[in-house]
Amino acid sequence: DTGVSQDPRHKITKRGQNVTFRCDPISEHNRLYWYRQTLGQGPEFLTYFQNEAQLEKSRLLSDRFSAERPKGSFSTLEIQRTEQGDSAMYLCASSLGGRSSYEQYFGPGTRLTVT
Amino acid sequence: AQTVTQSQPEMSVQEAETVTLSCTYDTSESDYYLFWYKQPPSRQMILVIRQEAYKQQNATENRFSVNFQKAAKSFSLKISDSQLGDAAMYFCAYFDSGGSNYKLTFGKGTLLTVNP
Repeated sequence: DTGVSQDPRHKITKRGQNVTFRCDPISEHNRLYWYRQTLGQGPEFLTYFQNEAQLEKSRLLSDRFSAERPKGSFSTLEIQRTEQGDSAMYLCASSLGGRSSYEQYFGPGTRLTVT
Repeated sequence: AQTVTQSQPEMSVQEAETVTLSCTYDTSESDYYLFWYKQPPSRQMILVIRQEAYKQQNATENRFSVNFQKAAKSFSLKISDSQLGDAAMYFCAYFDSGGSNYKLTFGKGTLLTVNP
């Protein structure tokens, strides 16, 4: 296993369209996190999963956003009715559980551009 | 809520010289970790160095070291013998290890340029 992977790396969509991103974590990691990074800012937490359970969601995650991790392995992040303000880099990270949760490994990100 | 502040949007250093990046944070917790992450252009974020709050000794990783001042809530990164490959965005981050919130809180970053 070579690390966290994300697909696609880049996505250009028109306003109002739906998009879905995928994240494959490091195989033995049971925690998976989504962050959003806008230009000139550090990553901001969106949500995290422990196995298949979504345990916390940020206020940044509006009702147009939904994330799943159906079998506790890969995760998807869907944005419905995209808006220009959704343009950002979406980062996925994974970690072991417990006190090792601090050691989060990041994927390369999916850069979303909404036109 | 915890906050992380990086007051230097950009820094530059000559190759082979030393540079220090600043970070301050605010928390009421006693059990936490602090990190510096490096994000090269169009590449993924990687962990540079980690400091546990309960450890008084400053962390060191090869050319990278930190100056952790817990009372002042300051956590600076020193890069010695700077190399061209050190050029990147550097983020300071905080993790509350004593609670149930497992998120990292990041600063806005410092863009480091290394001049040959």
